[in-house]
Parts: sequence; structure tokens; C-alpha cells
Amino acid sequence: GAVVSQHPSWVICKSGTSVKIECRSLDFQATTMFWYRQFPKQSLMLMATSNEGSKATYEQGVEKDKFLINHASLTLSTLTVTSAHPEDSSFYICSAMGAKISGANVLTFGAGSRLTVL
Amino acid sequence: GESVGLHLPTLSVQEGDNSIINCAYSNSASDYFIWYKQESGKGPQFIIDIRSNMDKRQGQRVTVLLNKTVKHLSLQIAATQPGDSAVYFCAEKGGSNYKLTFGKGTLLTVNP
Repeated sequence: GAVVSQHPSWVICKSGTSVKIECRSLDFQATTMFWYRQFPKQSLMLMATSNEGSKATYEQGVEKDKFLINHASLTLSTLTVTSAHPEDSSFYICSAMGAKISGANVLTFGAGSRLTVL
Repeated sequence: GESVGLHLPTLSVQEGDNSIINCAYSNSASDYFIWYKQESGKGPQFIIDIRSNMDKRQGQRVTVLLNKTVKHLSLQIAATQPGDSAVYFCAEKGGSNYKLTFGKGTLLTVNP
């Protein structure tokens, strides 16, 4: 149980285009979702925290107009990289926190989405 | 080992040996810690966690030790197997919303 699905798992786009990445909690309701970015051989860096139905909270140095986050339902959050440039190429990972029917809290990571901007 | 620039600390062990991976955390107010395993091209996979009111917790083949005095966390893997080869991250939680701060990571290589 507690599965988080990310889609697409990898995407290649041209510079200047926008790319949307989806993060879905499959078997629990995610009240909070977190978006991370990971460059090669580096750690995960938190970009933003999103709560269902409210605006995302961005970490210092992360441009909210560049990385649009929408958490419209308890099972879906999306990250849109707008006007992508080669320096935005990275591994984007989401995690979801919520409660299962049993009441147990869960915090689970998705498998990540590899973005390559040409 | 110490991290230098962008290079991950590395640990190389022989199959069957015990592995110890260390992590220094930054926030003395952190109350919850997690070890994750990340294989190449995949998301982090939960291994074991520990709350700040404990100093040791054991799982299957893994043990986490917490030393709050020096803000140090370690992960011990018993009888390391080739399938344990991955990057291992510690993560700390300092608030109430499960916002995690990740450590630098250690690349574990298990030689058959």
C-alpha cells in the first residue's frame, strides 16, 4: 500500500516549451505533497510544499512563476516547468503525505521524472 | 568520508561484510529521522526511521543509531549483499508537516 505514481517517468523537450509532471497518490489521500529536484550525484533539494486546495509554499530561491504547482485534489499534484531551459534539466521527485483508511500516516516517494531540455 | 565538491562520499565493501553509513544532521530541533535507499534512476525507498526520543532502532538486517549530542546518525547494514548497492540518504524532519531535509548521500558499492 501507499503507492505514489509519477508521470511521465522521463521527458525530453525543446528549450522554451513547458512541461507538466503529475504526481498521484493511488491508494491514499494526500493532504500534502512535496516536490524535490535532484541533480546528478547530488542530494534531493526541496522545491515546494503543496497542500490540497491552497497555494504552494516555495523554498527560498525557487521561482514560483517558473515552477507552477497545482494540488487540485487529494490524489493529484502537478508541477509545470514553464519556458524550460537546459539548466532545468534534472530529476524531479514528488512525495505524498496522508492517511490511510486505517488512520496510519504515510509518507511515500514517487519514482521520479527525468527532464531533459535540449 | 568527507564530501568534496559535488562528489558523493563512497563506501566499498565486500559481500557479506557489515556496512556502516554515517550522516551528520544540522537541526538540533529535528525530531524524526529516516534513512532512504536510492537506486539509479529511481525515487528514494524507505529503509528505517527513528524518533528523537530513541537512540537505536533495529529492522531486518539494518540498525539505525542516533546520537543527538553530536547530531549524528548512522545506518548499519548486516551481511551486505550486492542488491544493497545504492546511494543512501539520511533525512531529518524538524516541523510538523513532514518537510524533510536530506543529507548529502553516500554511495555504497558491494563487491561480490
